[in-house]
Amino acid sequence: GAVVSQHPSWVICKSGTSVKIECRSLDFQATTMFWYRQFPKQSLMLMATSNEGSKATYEQGVEKDKFLINHASLTLSTLTVTSAHPEDSSFYICSARVSRGRGETQYFGPGTRLLVL
Amino acid sequence: GQQLNQSPQSMFIQEGEDVSMNCTSSSIFNTWLWYKQDPGEGPVLLIALYKAGELTSNGRLTAQFGITRKDSFLNISASIPSDVGIYFCAGRKTGTASKLTFGTGTRLQVTL
Repeated sequence: GAVVSQHPSWVICKSGTSVKIECRSLDFQATTMFWYRQFPKQSLMLMATSNEGSKATYEQGVEKDKFLINHASLTLSTLTVTSAHPEDSSFYICSARVSRGRGETQYFGPGTRLLVL
Repeated sequence: GQQLNQSPQSMFIQEGEDVSMNCTSSSIFNTWLWYKQDPGEGPVLLIALYKAGELTSNGRLTAQFGITRKDSFLNISASIPSDVGIYFCAGRKTGTASKLTFGTGTRLQVTL
């Protein structure tokens, strides 16, 4: 399978600061990546689609100025949580789209746990 | 956002037993994916299904793409303790820019 990494794996920050999370495809190129958030004991909720070389597309209810996404290369997408507040504390997971002969799938990173104090 | 209905919500079974779970929707999907998530980690892809009626195995796991294209099933045979975790189905519709809709999850716990 394809390998996706995330950095950092966890971060604690003060309210009002900004936090950047990186998502990398290690052994393949990914023109499309996705950012999800997951609250405890809940499923994954898609936040936005990150497209290499173009603007990200955000899901309804997700503030694009709050969650800045940059997909500057074929192997890296970043999510910046700006002016973080305690309610932004969550598990953030990225994935990369992979197309193979039979169809598409998504491979996920290990996740980043954010705690805003 | 929309979520797929997954059942059961949780299962408590004995080692060696077989497990069945399913995922249903009111919409048609052209891809069904099954993932397993361990605590504090990202989901790991188990099986991908791309054709209605398709039956695919991965070791002790077998998944099926429902004929109606509105459901999918995952079976685990002879469960072992490391099968513990949360299993998610995910579906992809045509024309949704590769976005996945996730199921609500099935939490599996296995006793010796």
